[in-house]
Amino acid sequence: DGGITQSPKYLFRKEGQNVTLSCEQNLNHDAMYWYRQDPGQGLRLIYYSQIVNDFQKGDIAEGYSVSREKKESFPLTVTSAQKNPTAFYLCASSIGAGTGRNIQYFGAGTRLSVL
Amino acid sequence: GENVGLHLPTLSVQEGDNSIINCAYSNSASDYFIWYKQESGKGPQFIIDIRSNMDKRQGQRVTVLLNKTVKHLSLQIAATQPGDSAVYFCAEILTDKLIFGTGTRLQVFP
Repeated sequence: DGGITQSPKYLFRKEGQNVTLSCEQNLNHDAMYWYRQDPGQGLRLIYYSQIVNDFQKGDIAEGYSVSREKKESFPLTVTSAQKNPTAFYLCASSIGAGTGRNIQYFGAGTRLSVL
Repeated sequence: GENVGLHLPTLSVQEGDNSIINCAYSNSASDYFIWYKQESGKGPQFIIDIRSNMDKRQGQRVTVLLNKTVKHLSLQIAATQPGDSAVYFCAEILTDKLIFGTGTRLQVFP
């Protein structure tokens, strides 16, 4: 996991509630990412940020929001508009765009369940 | 695609044998190819990568082979150990985006 911290490890959401997942990195990476993983499946990109104060939608952004006010932090909010939020959420970071070898390193994940 | 189903391809090997995990990628313009290992309940862990202008790269107990002609990537694990049991994903880097393959579950039995 080295250098990327996700919290909490487990999270429960009530219907109609917004919840925020935390991701912090101390790798001095410019780029950060959020993925969703459903059981037995691969990773799908929700949002990504190449630089502070800028972020882009990924493939499944609907029902999610992010902010990137600090280089180290990229919190993800799962809003009430996301009707099927139960999944394993993974945060990643990388050196940044234009480097070619832009390898992403992942946190330990947050498992979100609906009550 | 996203609907690959709940049943990942599974490779079962005996402890001490060599394992070969295969992956087909989609884009011939990808710059780098990566293998990740994901243990149950954890995030993917970087294993090894290979640049598109290479066809082989070796690490500790692992070798990655790249065949650009048929868009095929493989991960070879020598002397497979119980701790190697996990799901292995290949990924390609294309214009700074990471595109993941389906994943293969490796089961190691004594």
